[in-house]
Amino acid sequence: AQSVTQLGSHVSVSEGALVLLRCNYSSSVPPYLFWYVQYPNQGLQLLLKYTTGATLVKGINGFEAEFKKSETSFHLTKPSAHMSDAAEYFCAVGPGTGRRALTFGSGTRLQVQP
Amino acid sequence: GAGVSQSPSNKVTEKGKDVELRCDPISGHTALYWYRQRLGQGLEFLIYFQGNSAPDKSGLPSDRFSAERTGESVSTLTIQRTQQEDSAVYLCASSLETGPAGNTIYFGEGSWLTVV
Repeated sequence: AQSVTQLGSHVSVSEGALVLLRCNYSSSVPPYLFWYVQYPNQGLQLLLKYTTGATLVKGINGFEAEFKKSETSFHLTKPSAHMSDAAEYFCAVGPGTGRRALTFGSGTRLQVQP
Repeated sequence: GAGVSQSPSNKVTEKGKDVELRCDPISGHTALYWYRQRLGQGLEFLIYFQGNSAPDKSGLPSDRFSAERTGESVSTLTIQRTQQEDSAVYLCASSLETGPAGNTIYFGEGSWLTVV
């Protein structure tokens, strides 16, 4: 079975500050890991994904995440927050044994203060 | 189409009524997924299609929920005898083929269902 834990349902940062959204996963098979972003009243959009190879993954809008197997983590970071980054962020893991769909975390709502 | 299209975008229904939610995946995508997102919560997997068959329907919460896919394209999620706890956003997604490894999963904007 696979699971994802996102620490902190709400994170607030100041504009220009570092963004750090935490994600820990559990998987019995080598995981593929994803971050999705959901802007208000919109569908989910892929930010970045890790499948194999380089453990530091760069995504859109200046976000990146590092796969750390020893820590079972895949935290999302951005050096400098922008007001437009305010959204809900979901970490996901897949595929599961016998299941092809992704398993999502409960999400972290990022608030950016001016 | 250019993206995953879902309809209706919003639906208010009375408790006990049946509803149908439609998903048009991206053309050529053989894998199709349904998720449910309750207010303030994460995504809950419902069912996955590969072509017209559903190898994994383990997430359907009860026998009031069913889904089908035809022509390896459009999918319909049906909820019978709706209950208030069915109120949620129902998200459809598609990808080129099974497995998320090399194939990005694209989501629609969802169908917001409110049961009153």
